[in-house]
Amino acid sequence: AQSVAQPEDQVNVAEGNPLTVKCTYSVSGNPYLFWYVQYPNRGLQFLLKYITGDNLVKGSYGFEAEFNKSQTSFHLKKPSALVSDSALYFCAVRLNAGNNRKLIWGLGTSLAVNP
Amino acid sequence: DGGITQSPKYLFRKEGQNVTLSCEQNLNHDAMYWYRQDPGQGLRLIYYSQIVNDFQKGDIAEGYSVSREKKESFPLTVTSAQKNPTAFYLCASSGRESGGHPSTDTQYFGPGTRLTVL
Repeated sequence: AQSVAQPEDQVNVAEGNPLTVKCTYSVSGNPYLFWYVQYPNRGLQFLLKYITGDNLVKGSYGFEAEFNKSQTSFHLKKPSALVSDSALYFCAVRLNAGNNRKLIWGLGTSLAVNP
Repeated sequence: DGGITQSPKYLFRKEGQNVTLSCEQNLNHDAMYWYRQDPGQGLRLIYYSQIVNDFQKGDIAEGYSVSREKKESFPLTVTSAQKNPTAFYLCASSGRESGGHPSTDTQYFGPGTRLTVL
């Protein structure tokens, strides 16, 4: 079965420290990978995506993610966390298949940045 | 959230009533989606539409219905057949991006509607 795993329900990090939110996937073929952020009672905001090319993708708000095909991972990173980064983060995968638009979602990771 | 509006923000329904959630987009996107979000369960796809006058069931379509009569609008009706409708409902849209094909599209989300059954 095709799936996305976010192995940590919650991540805690001190302000100013680097942060990592993990995502691994299990899909057949070559995937397209996405990260979204959700603040309380709000819709999801797109952060970044990997389609092809450079494995390191840079996105909004200073976030970046590295695609690792051998480890089937797409971890989200930021060099220096802000308290305002505290939110729920979702990883999603889409199969590279023509007109396919359906996303497979992880269950989310709650990030808490402590001042 | 820009370009996609959902209304109302909060909706209360009595058991046995149908309710309709509105989703409008001005991004000229071909595809639109409805998701349901419950705590700890992530996002689950209810229905999606890739073109006007066409839509497909997602993973949890039972008890819901949709229509896509206009490109910019994709209303969701939560019927009385939906056993546990209390949830946060999210609408999204996506469109063909330069040089890409549909599977590379980014989905953009509205602000959501929180439905509570009394």
